[in-house]
Amino acid sequence: AQSVAQPEDQVNVAEGNPLTVKCTYSVSGNPYLFWYVQYPNRGLQFLLKYITGDNLVKGSYGFEAEFNKSQTSFHLKKPSALVSDSALYFCAVRGNNDYKLSFGAGTTVTVRA
Amino acid sequence: ETGVTQTPRHLVMGMTNKKSLKCEQHLGHNAMYWYKQSAKKPLELMFVYNFKEQTENNSVPSRFSPECPNSSHLFLHLHTLQPEDSALYLCASSQDSASGGEETQYFGPGTRLLVL
Repeated sequence: AQSVAQPEDQVNVAEGNPLTVKCTYSVSGNPYLFWYVQYPNRGLQFLLKYITGDNLVKGSYGFEAEFNKSQTSFHLKKPSALVSDSALYFCAVRGNNDYKLSFGAGTTVTVRA
Repeated sequence: ETGVTQTPRHLVMGMTNKKSLKCEQHLGHNAMYWYKQSAKKPLELMFVYNFKEQTENNSVPSRFSPECPNSSHLFLHLHTLQPEDSALYLCASSQDSASGGEETQYFGPGTRLLVL
């Protein structure tokens, strides 16, 4: 069975400070990892994904994520957070022979001005 | 979000009503999905269609009935729902659900459902 854990329900940072949203996963075989963002009253928007290759993946809106196989983690990062980054962030994982995406419970990010 | 559209965006219904949710994707994809999103819970996969064929029914109660007339349209027919079915219902699409793990799913804006 595959699963995702997002250990923090909420992350609060000041605008201009670095932002990190944590994600760990469990999957059989090679993982495919995804980050999505959800703004209020909106659907999930795809940010980035890790398939293979470079462990540092760059995505939309200045976000990046680092795949760490030994720690089974895929933390989302942004060097300088904006107030507009305030949203709900979801990490998801899928095994290489499975079409089902397993999502974490989500982390609410609040960036204060 | 214009790649995957959902209507209506909001729906209030009584427990004896029958209503339908509609999803349309403009991405040329062949797989479509229904998810349920409840507060403080991970997204729950409900149904998967690949090339119009249902490939997944994740133990969803029969009061939810999906329909996929073609690869671009997906419906969720609702009848005799319960208050606990109130949630955000999200539709997603991808190129081909059987092609492997690297596929990206793209989501619509969702239908906010309230069952009274």
